[in-house]
Amino acid sequence: EAGVTQFPSHSVIEKGQTVTLRCDPISGHDNLYWYRRVMGKEIKFLLHFVKESKQDESGMPNNRFLAERTGGTYSTLKVQPAELEDSGVYFCASRGGLYEKLFFGSGTQLSVL
Amino acid sequence: LAKTTQPISMDSYEGQEVNITCSHNNIATNDYITWYQQFPSQGPRFIIQGYKTKVTNEVASLFIPADRKSSTLSLPRVSLSDTAVYYCLVGGPNTGNQFYFGTGTSLTVIP
Repeated sequence: EAGVTQFPSHSVIEKGQTVTLRCDPISGHDNLYWYRRVMGKEIKFLLHFVKESKQDESGMPNNRFLAERTGGTYSTLKVQPAELEDSGVYFCASRGGLYEKLFFGSGTQLSVL
Repeated sequence: LAKTTQPISMDSYEGQEVNITCSHNNIATNDYITWYQQFPSQGPRFIIQGYKTKVTNEVASLFIPADRKSSTLSLPRVSLSDTAVYYCLVGGPNTGNQFYFGTGTSLTVIP
């Protein structure tokens, strides 16, 4: 079966610009998560979708970050405007039920210059 | 949110058994324990999951004592390709699924 797909794999933008990351979860997976690792730090939770609804967005750092999952399929994470401290790797993960294992994408490496 | 503590790094020779222990003192009743492996430039990959006692699959074993405040991932006869970062995650539906990754354990397998 196809895994979790993230696009782009790398993005280099200037401070103040907007970037949109996309995640295509495994087909049929209702639960979708965003995580990120900023430079030198641990992987941290950002938010959790159940279908198209935000179940938990307590990890979102500030209102410059907007996540959507229209139709309960793929999800986007928009950063607007991007700041230097947003640089890092953004991971998306999905799973079916809440006791099932998480499948992670390969991540998007975001560099804000 | 159940936090975990693991050794930051470990070294092992090829062919040896490696045991990585994770502490999770505030694990909740409905939490389960999952281990992931991560290679550079890739996302974490599931290894094994358990709730109590012992679980074994084709790649690893997971030992969980009765109090569940720790767990040990056992990798039999490691090879160079097992060099990676290993994360112990604790969580469940009642803890909001905000898995705490922690530092992970960077395992280096030496020829």
